Amino acid sequence: QLQLQESGPGLVKPSQTLSLTCTVSGGSITSGGYTWNWIRQTPKKGLEWIGNIYQSGNTNYNPSLKSRVTISIDRSKNQFSLKLRPVTAADTAVYYCSTWPVSYWGQGTLVTVSS
Amino acid sequence: DIQMTQSPSTLSASIGDRVTVTCRASQSISNWLAWYQQKPGKAPNLLIYKASTLESGVPSRFSGSGSGTEFTLTISSLQPDDFATYYCQQYTIYPWTFGQGTKVEMK
Repeated sequence: QLQLQESGPGLVKPSQTLSLTCTVSGGSITSGGYTWNWIRQTPKKGLEWIGNIYQSGNTNYNPSLKSRVTISIDRSKNQFSLKLRPVTAADTAVYYCSTWPVSYWGQGTLVTVSS
Repeated sequence: DIQMTQSPSTLSASIGDRVTVTCRASQSISNWLAWYQQKPGKAPNLLIYKASTLESGVPSRFSGSGSGTEFTLTISSLQPDDFATYYCQQYTIYPWTFGQGTKVEMK
């Protein structure tokens, strides 16, 4: 059974870069068949899929964020990461990492964009 | 993007009630639909995938149906642990999109 844990700064200044890492335990990120996803949630917009990456490194992004998002994978550390730049207050959200089609989720991490 | 619209937004019900939540897609998604339950401060928890397949470990009082553009989540007999917010999600076309949620609250 996989366990996912998000980590990264809880406060980011406007115009800077939001960087989060999802550490996978209980299995290998190179296991075939999973997509490794980032999803965020705000009270106003609800759940928003940000994008995903396959263990091959192929990515898919939400067009609404595509110009600002990069998702990468580090097989040696069993991690995948999210970078979002530049950020605004509208990017304040709880960010989750998750897997599909077997559904595992991290506990979520609140990222606040504020000066 | 495929828009997912849930109804109602809030549902008041009592223990033992049969509860139905509807999710409509703006275009056909075949049966590539998932349902999640979320409790405050927790990540969503997958209940159903492929519109009607119960995730392992999910109580059998939960069921899903539908295909194309209209889907339902039914709780046959509402239990205390079921008061939560429920979301549908399509995963047939990127970007994957979610409904806005249905909060099931105590009447």
